[in-house]
Amino acid sequence: GAGVSQSPSNKVTEKGKDVELRCDPISGHTALYWYRQSLGQGLEFLIYFQGNSAPDKSGLPSDRFSAERTGGSVSTLTIQRTQQEDSAVYLCASSSYTWERGYTFGSGTRLTVV
Amino acid sequence: SQQGEEDPQALSIQEGENATMNCSYKTSINNLQWYRQNSGRGLVHLILIRSNEREKHSGRLRVTLDTSKKSSSLLITASRAADTASYFCATFTSGTYKYIFGTGTRLKVLA
Repeated sequence: GAGVSQSPSNKVTEKGKDVELRCDPISGHTALYWYRQSLGQGLEFLIYFQGNSAPDKSGLPSDRFSAERTGGSVSTLTIQRTQQEDSAVYLCASSSYTWERGYTFGSGTRLTVV
Repeated sequence: SQQGEEDPQALSIQEGENATMNCSYKTSINNLQWYRQNSGRGLVHLILIRSNEREKHSGRLRVTLDTSKKSSSLLITASRAADTASYFCATFTSGTYKYIFGTGTRLKVLA
């Protein structure tokens, strides 16, 4: 597609429920990233996918968080047994090897855990 | 983890004035980028500066990089109300394959 698409744009869930967040990157972009941004804060790196290589999961805050990227395209970030501290905007970005253009970000999913 | 820290955290100026934001980082980098974020959602890439470059321009934007001080600055000249946003620096270190973002500067341009 023309841009990075994320869904849903907003998600309200009850504490303890599982949620799935979806990211559809730009076609042809080999790298895909997930970041988390809490209210008024900077971006916190979560996970990075590059082609068929093993993902860099070093930023995932706990084992309740997992992500997969199917067929080198769409990615799903799953949060199990959500907690109130998981409330944040989850941003997905994709990029090619041409760093000059930087990342292309989606509009994010605002997750609220009540 | 935060690699970069922007200074100031918030800045309020009048339309037409220049806005300067600074970013300091901790480890050696390959390149540094600046992004703008409107309304707390998706970020837009503004400019990239490589570690062997000292200054770069793009329209009303001027970015400098001082690797000896591990710092960068973003200057927006002749600011407009539409420049109101948060601005983030992001650093890339060889071997990490990812950008680490700073804490951001919230800029407000008053009409």
